[in-house]
Amino acid sequence: NAGVMQNPRHLVRRRGQEARLRCSPMKGHSHVYWYRQLPEEGLKFMVYLQKENIIDESGMPKERFSAEFPKEGPSILRIQQVVRGDSAAYFCASSPALDSLIEKLFFGSGTQLSVL
Amino acid sequence: KNQVEQSPQSLIILEGKNCTLQCNYTVSPFSNLRWYKQDTGRGPVSLTIMTFSENTKSNGRYTATLDADTKQSSLHITASQLSDSASYICVVSAGYGGATNKLIFGTGTLLAVQP
Repeated sequence: NAGVMQNPRHLVRRRGQEARLRCSPMKGHSHVYWYRQLPEEGLKFMVYLQKENIIDESGMPKERFSAEFPKEGPSILRIQQVVRGDSAAYFCASSPALDSLIEKLFFGSGTQLSVL
Repeated sequence: KNQVEQSPQSLIILEGKNCTLQCNYTVSPFSNLRWYKQDTGRGPVSLTIMTFSENTKSNGRYTATLDADTKQSSLHITASQLSDSASYICVVSAGYGGATNKLIFGTGTLLAVQP
């Protein structure tokens, strides 16, 4: 059972370009979360999705950022017109359907986005 | 404001020695507290999860404690190994039902184990 898969591992973009980050959750997991980690800072929640639904996007900037988790295929975090401040490590986590009070999260290895 | 603070920021110990990492939090309402290990360039991996009613939980050489009254937690590592070198992150879940989207992450303690 493969873990959470993120690609690419490293992504370099110039200012104004678009960045697409992909996340394939663990088999059987229907919940996906995206986090951003800036250097020497803790992970910050961005968005929580279930299949075809955005449940909570309160941590995601209103402009330029969007996320989706289609019925088929990976979850996509899309950043349009990237700026240098978007440079960070973006982590995806997945979990199975809620069946207990404590939801277990499994993280991918992250995508390091560098904006030139 | 919900916050999780960890100390020390970084720590160097010799292989075989024990160490204790600290976590203080101001998160309300409290649901659970988690410790994660994050290797360089990798995603965090869960070590322990404790609810309000649990005082201690072990996972191999890792033992976490929780004092919900003082809002403090510690992670004790016994007989350290070189592979323990990583960042250790304290994470507190706010809200009822373990709502994962309300996780508050600390900035981590960077541990280096030297031979």
